[in-house]
Amino acid sequence: QVQLVESGGGVVQPGGSLRLSCAASGFTFSNYGMQWVRQAPGKGLEWVTVIWYDGSKKYYADSVKGRFTISRDNSQNTLYLEMNSLRTEDTAVYYCARGSPRDDWSPTWFDPWGQGTLVSVSS
Amino acid sequence: QSALTQPASVSGSPGQSITISCTGSSSDIGGYEYVSWFQQHPGKAPKLMIYDVTNRPSGISNRFSASKSGNTASLTISGLQAEDEADYYCSSYTTSGTVVFGGGTKLTVL
Repeated sequence: QVQLVESGGGVVQPGGSLRLSCAASGFTFSNYGMQWVRQAPGKGLEWVTVIWYDGSKKYYADSVKGRFTISRDNSQNTLYLEMNSLRTEDTAVYYCARGSPRDDWSPTWFDPWGQGTLVSVSS
Repeated sequence: QSALTQPASVSGSPGQSITISCTGSSSDIGGYEYVSWFQQHPGKAPKLMIYDVTNRPSGISNRFSASKSGNTASLTISGLQAEDEADYYCSSYTTSGTVVFGGGTKLTVL
């Protein structure tokens, strides 16, 4: 079955860096766009970034542009999120989600989602 | 990238129907046929319920339906059941190539 497993979360000081990973299985990873979405404690969902199936296009929310970088390794079926210059407001559960397939583009298709990994930015 | 506007809460009794609205602008909801709805139970990951405004993924009950008019999208749940109690989020594609979510609506089944 399709499965996404995030890892790499933890506690980091403001200004620090962290790299999240999302291991995918059960589908042809290289055929799908991938997304990151976060959720601050007790708050709603916030879209973070998307990467095309081949890595050729990437888009970011204004709140993370210039600080976060999305990437993927299709040979390892893994999605990454490099987070730099972290701020207290970046504290959230970070979810990876499968996007739409390469031949049926749908930018708000997020299915399925991983279980999430918690990032806590605190001094 | 302002969040889409959803009511903070809605409620209904078992068997009834409820509708959740999601209001954006011509730069997002009004400009594209790319609106999705997600259900999230406490402590769980969100689940896709509707995509491309009106489409249900495989396995989603036909009690869930959705529509769009102008800059406002709507999710309707008919025949309310206890397990429908959850938070619901809308999302839309935007002119900048990004995605924006609504603030979320807490559905209470009375």
